[in-house]
Amino acid sequence: DAGITQSPRHKVTETGTPVTLRCHQTENHRYMYWYRQDPGHGLRLIHYSYGVKDTDKGEVSDGYSVSRSKTEDFLLTLESATSSQTSVYFCAISELATGGEKLFFGSGTQLSVL
Amino acid sequence: KNQVEQSPQSLIILEGKNCTLQCNYTVSPFSNLRWYKQDTGRGPVSLTIMTFSENTKSNGRYTATLDADTKQSSLHITASQLSDSASYICVVGLNSNSGYALNFGKGTSLLVTP
Repeated sequence: DAGITQSPRHKVTETGTPVTLRCHQTENHRYMYWYRQDPGHGLRLIHYSYGVKDTDKGEVSDGYSVSRSKTEDFLLTLESATSSQTSVYFCAISELATGGEKLFFGSGTQLSVL
Repeated sequence: KNQVEQSPQSLIILEGKNCTLQCNYTVSPFSNLRWYKQDTGRGPVSLTIMTFSENTKSNGRYTATLDADTKQSSLHITASQLSDSASYICVVGLNSNSGYALNFGKGTSLLVTP
């Protein structure tokens, strides 16, 4: 898992509540990513970070914010959770490899918004 | 819109048999193409990465091919094992003036039966 830990692994919450998911890495990678995976869709990028306090939006960033105050931690916050945000969330880091950077994913967080 | 289409959507094969999964893409300008394996309840794991100039790459019993002219890739699995049961995701990298992006296919679900 390239030293990536996501927490919690499972979360059930109610509509309108804030939720924060945590991604922790142990190998000092500069780039970190948050994706969501839904049936009928490929993985979609929510936000990414290219360094401490350096973040940018992905293709499905509405309703989400991120923070990276330390190299090892990348937090994803749902400011006011909605049922459409029920999904599996994956954190990833990238390493340079032959042909391009290689992504390593965490084990995911299953989030259910009721 | 850049698209990555995978076929078949799902596949069942007997243990020991070979199979081939397909990926067609319209992503342009093309940077690289990756195949990932995703076990149930886990994050995707990289199998291969190919650039424009490569037309084949192997990783054990997995062999990926790329035809950049026809924008097609395939993943061939030889002598399948029960542990090959997973979702296989094709990912195409796009490198344009607006930056670098990854386009994920929806995956092919493979079940290997005894």
